[in-house]
Amino acid sequence: DAGVTQSPTHLIKTRGQQVTLRCSPKSGHDTVSWYQQALGQGPQFIFQYYEEEERQRGNFPDRFSGHQFPNYSSELNVNALLLGDSALYLCASSGGTGPYEQYFGPGTRLTVT
Amino acid sequence: AQKVTQAQTEISVVEKEDVTLDCVYETRDTTYYLFWYKQPPSGELVFLIRRNSFDEQNEISGRYSWNFQKSTSSFNFTITASQVVDSAVYFCAVNTGNQFYFGTGTSLTVIP
Repeated sequence: DAGVTQSPTHLIKTRGQQVTLRCSPKSGHDTVSWYQQALGQGPQFIFQYYEEEERQRGNFPDRFSGHQFPNYSSELNVNALLLGDSALYLCASSGGTGPYEQYFGPGTRLTVT
Repeated sequence: AQKVTQAQTEISVVEKEDVTLDCVYETRDTTYYLFWYKQPPSGELVFLIRRNSFDEQNEISGRYSWNFQKSTSSFNFTITASQVVDSAVYFCAVNTGNQFYFGTGTSLTVIP
């Protein structure tokens, strides 16, 4: 049973560019959440997708957007990259939008230069 | 506002010692859920436990135990007879309104 997968593993971008990160949820899960984890910090909630719609959003600017596909996989898009966007981006899936345990992927390490 | 404080940034123990990781949370909600996650060097957070705000029973799972005290807003995690494989960063989190709020984590190093 495949867990949560994310791609790519690492990414280096230049300030001002745009980036797309991808996530496939654990089999049987229909809800995907995205987190940003800066070095030495805990994960910060970006947003959550369920039934192809954004259901919850944390305190992140509109430069951060997402999408969920009919097969429940998801994308995170970040526009106009800033140096401060450098972080580990984690995707988590769960069997609903409630306070269920979330299963995390290995993350995508984004470096903005 | 929701907040989780993990005051211990780094802890080192010798193998077989017991260690307790502290977690203090803040929330105005009466219904909330508390979690602990483990993040090994590979980066993938691993779920350890979930507790709802109405269940203050302590829980034991093998070498792991959790102490939930609503009166002090604490949800502490104890590892008994620590092992090298326990070395990781441990995060406490609170879920309210279906959103997770994580603490800054405690890095545990178990020395052989």
